[in-house]
Amino acid sequence: DIQMTQSPSTLSASVGDRVTITCRASQSISSNLAWYQQKPGKAPKFLIYKASSLESGVPLRFSGGGSGTEFSLTISSLQPDDFATYYCQQYDTYPWTFGQGTKVEIK
Amino acid sequence: QVQLVESGGGVVQPGGSLRLSCAASGFTFSSYGMYWVRQAPGKGPEWLAGIWFDGSKKFYRESVRGRFTISRDNSENTLHLQMNSLRAEDTAVYYCAKIRTIGTGDAFDIWGQGTMVTVSS
Repeated sequence: DIQMTQSPSTLSASVGDRVTITCRASQSISSNLAWYQQKPGKAPKFLIYKASSLESGVPLRFSGGGSGTEFSLTISSLQPDDFATYYCQQYDTYPWTFGQGTKVEIK
Repeated sequence: QVQLVESGGGVVQPGGSLRLSCAASGFTFSSYGMYWVRQAPGKGPEWLAGIWFDGSKKFYRESVRGRFTISRDNSENTLHLQMNSLRAEDTAVYYCAKIRTIGTGDAFDIWGQGTMVTVSS
């Protein structure tokens, strides 16, 4: 299975901060990577596909990058609604796998 | 609007069975691959199984192959997951999810609200 490793596991930040989450794949997945946001008790919310393409309706402060094995999710100016857990997921090779998550907390 | 609604979760004893269902609406169900993803308490999501738009191909993660069966009824816009020989480690919230495009590999753009499965004696 392709292992997806996110860092950091927890990130403490303030409203207005620029934050970046990294996701590393154990083998190349081209650009077949998605990012999701999840709040407690809710289903994951789809943010980004093909590593850098923003889903319709997702705020422009979110952006994704990378290819191959190294990927990133950046929030340019953290808003109160952005405090949540973020997951990357590869859909290149079955079984599709998720990262362990990065919790973005209020500093 | 586009919606997925799961049902069928509950409490079951180890070794027991459950059948989950996912009712789809707001999109052409028969055109999209559909998937089940679960999330154990305090853990990240875990992909379980997928089925092509026409049901012709099915995919499973190794830990559930032979115990779980994914199926779909395109006439009823419904996805199912038959779960047999359940174990304590199958305890999780189970989500159905739709992939973004008409194809075989893409992100999950729509998720259901989830249904809780608890395996306990």
